[in-house]
Amino acid sequence: GDSVTQMEGPVTLSEEAFLTINCTYTATGYPSLFWYVQYPGEGLQLLLKATKADDKGSNKGFEATYRKETTSFHLEKGSVQVSDSAVYFCALSDNTGNQFYFGTGTSLTVIP
Amino acid sequence: DTGVSQDPRHKITKRGQNVTFRCDPISEHNRLYWYRQTLGQGPEFLTYFQNEAQLEKSRLLSDRFSAERPKGSFSTLEIQRTEQGDSAMYLCASSLGQALTLETQYFGPGTRLLVL
Repeated sequence: GDSVTQMEGPVTLSEEAFLTINCTYTATGYPSLFWYVQYPGEGLQLLLKATKADDKGSNKGFEATYRKETTSFHLEKGSVQVSDSAVYFCALSDNTGNQFYFGTGTSLTVIP
Repeated sequence: DTGVSQDPRHKITKRGQNVTFRCDPISEHNRLYWYRQTLGQGPEFLTYFQNEAQLEKSRLLSDRFSAERPKGSFSTLEIQRTEQGDSAMYLCASSLGQALTLETQYFGPGTRLLVL
């Protein structure tokens, strides 16, 4: 069945460091891919999405490119801030749109 | 618009007891979803409603779990005869529209359940 695998954390970075959180997926057909963020004490929030191969999702300085050839959707940010400290989830919606799968989450802590 | 709210935020219960959680979606959202998130895992879809109709249930939703949305607004999730394996964060989300898509869902802060 469809699934999402993301790199395990926790990840600790200094402010202004480069961030990469890896995410790979297994799916039949053409899924949509998402990154969600969960700040402490808050609900999951959609960070960015991509609905077809080679699409690049971007928001708040974060980017991820839908790579069908490597079945990946890695999250990147060039310069992280303390306020980016949160848990990040990679997610997949199958080609019917009716089934959703989340990765296990990666905790990011950014220190000043 | 105050977002999706859930009550209680935390619940501790003894094994075998029944618990009920409430979710208030964003007003006028016609779809409401329940997820379960265990420690170190991502959310797992449990069930969803369109208005008051429960349209889909995951195999994860055993017969001890029941969800209702009687008037198409708030929803309740009841777990009967709780087991220690039910300990998890229970998330609610809501969306507006006909399409069942992940990106349109707004998530609440969750109810954390601990079964002793």
